Amino acid sequence: EVQLLESGGDLVQPGGSLRLSCGASGFTFSTYDMGWVRQAPGKGLEWVSSISPSGADTYYADFVQGRFTISRDNSKNTVYLQTNSLRAEDTAAYYCARGSPVATYYFDYWGQGALVTVSS
Amino acid sequence: DIQMTQSPSSLSASIEDRVTITCRASQGISNSLAWFQQKPGKAPKPLIYGASSLQSGVPSKFSGSGSGTDFTLTISSLQPEDFATYYCQQYNNYPPTFGQGTRLEIK
Repeated sequence: EVQLLESGGDLVQPGGSLRLSCGASGFTFSTYDMGWVRQAPGKGLEWVSSISPSGADTYYADFVQGRFTISRDNSKNTVYLQTNSLRAEDTAAYYCARGSPVATYYFDYWGQGALVTVSS
Repeated sequence: DIQMTQSPSSLSASIEDRVTITCRASQGISNSLAWFQQKPGKAPKPLIYGASSLQSGVPSKFSGSGSGTDFTLTISSLQPEDFATYYCQQYNNYPPTFGQGTRLEIK
């Protein structure tokens, strides 16, 4: 059974940093693209970032503006999202998701979400 | 970026009803369209990909159609567990983009 489990969500002050982690199990992690999608309270879904199976290629939404870094450790079956210079508008549930065999940006399995709250 | 527009934004329906939700892309996306169901406090659940292919484990009461710019999600014989918010998403062009969501409520 495919499982994705996020951790690292927290309350952080504006300008602060957090590292989100997503542990994967139930599939050959090193052969799949992985991504992060976020959802602000009461709002819709918004793609944040994706990473290729090897980690060599990374992709970001424009709003990231160099503040976030996605990475992965295939030996630990874990993908990370380092978030820096956080703003109030980054407050959201951050979902880790697997890119499907069909297409990199079709996410066929999702974690339960990690809540990031940016507030003073 | 490709803009995805869903209609209606909200919809009231009764148990056993059949409903249709529409998603329009701002430019052609072939059939690279997915639908997700989301309940409050839960992660999105994939329903359909490739505009009309059911994700494994999803009941056949859900069906999708369309190609190019216009797509539909149809849910037949609504049951209480079907009342949720539904999102479309295009994955044909980078970056991937989602519709704003359609909230399906019990009448």
